Order: sequence, then C-alpha cells, then structure tokens
Amino acid sequence: DSGVTQTPKHLITATGQRVTLRCSPRSGDLSVYWYQQSLDQGLQFLIHYYNGEERAKGNILERFSAQQFPDLHSELNLSSLELGDSALYFCASSLLSPGFGGAFFGQGTRLTVV
Amino acid sequence: GQQLNQSPQSMFIQEGEDVSMNCTSSSIFNTWLWYKQDPGEGPVLLIALYKAGELTSNGRLTAQFGITRKDSFLNISASIPSDVGIYFCAGLDTGNQFYFGTGTSLTVIP
Repeated sequence: DSGVTQTPKHLITATGQRVTLRCSPRSGDLSVYWYQQSLDQGLQFLIHYYNGEERAKGNILERFSAQQFPDLHSELNLSSLELGDSALYFCASSLLSPGFGGAFFGQGTRLTVV
Repeated sequence: GQQLNQSPQSMFIQEGEDVSMNCTSSSIFNTWLWYKQDPGEGPVLLIALYKAGELTSNGRLTAQFGITRKDSFLNISASIPSDVGIYFCAGLDTGNQFYFGTGTSLTVIP
C-alpha cells in the first residue's frame, strides 16, 4: 500500500459526459502528479501541483483540468469525454517539488468511455 | 507526446541471470527515475538519479545516470521470479516535464 488513495477504482461513462477523479496523497506529501496510461500512448504526464499551485503541465488536453485543494487532495476533471479518453489514470505524490515525479503511485482509476 | 526510447521491449531470462535495460533521449534530463509496474497496480519507484554519472543501488538493482545526461541504465543481478513485471524509465527535462519510456517487460523462467 503506497498510501495514495484514488477513487473511484473503475468508472464507465458515455461519450460527451464529464467525470471527476479524486486523489488523496500520502500524509504530508505536498506534490501531486497526474498521469494517463493507455495501450497506444503508454504513460503520459498530465499535470503537477505543489501545495495547491500548478507547477508543470504535460500532455493535458484542454478538456481536462485539475486542482489541488487546501487539504492537499486533488481532483482531475475530464469533460466532453471521447472514446480515446479511455485509459488508466494515476495519481502520485511526493514530499518535494519537482525532483521525484511522484515517488508513490495510487492504484489508478480505470476510465472506460462507451 | 514524446517518449523515451527504452530497450529491450521484452526479455525472457532464466532465474539467476543478470538483466540490463536502458533508456535514451534526444534531450538532456536533470533526473532519471526507474519504476516497476505489476499488473493492475500503479508503478513503484525503484531508483532515482539526480546527477550525471551517478550510480545508485537498491538491493540487487543498480542504475546509472549517463554522462551525456541523455541516457540511463538499469541492471538487475541474480534475477528471481518476483522480478517479473514491466520496468519503466522516466526522465525530468529542464522544463520540468516528465517523459516515460515505453517499458521493458521482464519474464523470469524458474
């Protein structure tokens, strides 16, 4: 158990819909990273937050947004969903910024868009 | 998006053998990370490297940050069945962007 909690574990939704993925980092970790893993694109870095502030953006679509709240949990919002958004979404946390890239990963949310 | 060139793509080895895999990039990286991912799980960080030339060990695992800052190597000595999984390299470039390798699938035959 990495200490990073992601909910929900599985999500099935229709095209055009909007979903929110939630991440609770390890206690004390200030950095949260979001990643997308799919068969065709592999692991892709989406966005990094440190202590509530956005620090770096990767291959994150404009239809996607994220935020980190004062209690350090983070949410990834995916809107106008397309079939190609089906993937495993990981959150990772670490104490420092940026350095690690997320030393501790959650188990992921598997999103299926139908 | 950009991905690092990781090789080999897959390896089938006998238990007890040593394993080597590497990652190369066209860009200079400030940090190299190596992860292992088991089916249905998130990646687990194995080794982090922060300086060119740095050589770091974690048990039977040893990784090196290449002198050119464009490559990294991971070696596993005396492989055991629980080493099975997919190994990913990742790098942090000078713009704080993370890129992942395409993964090396390791199968250890008892």
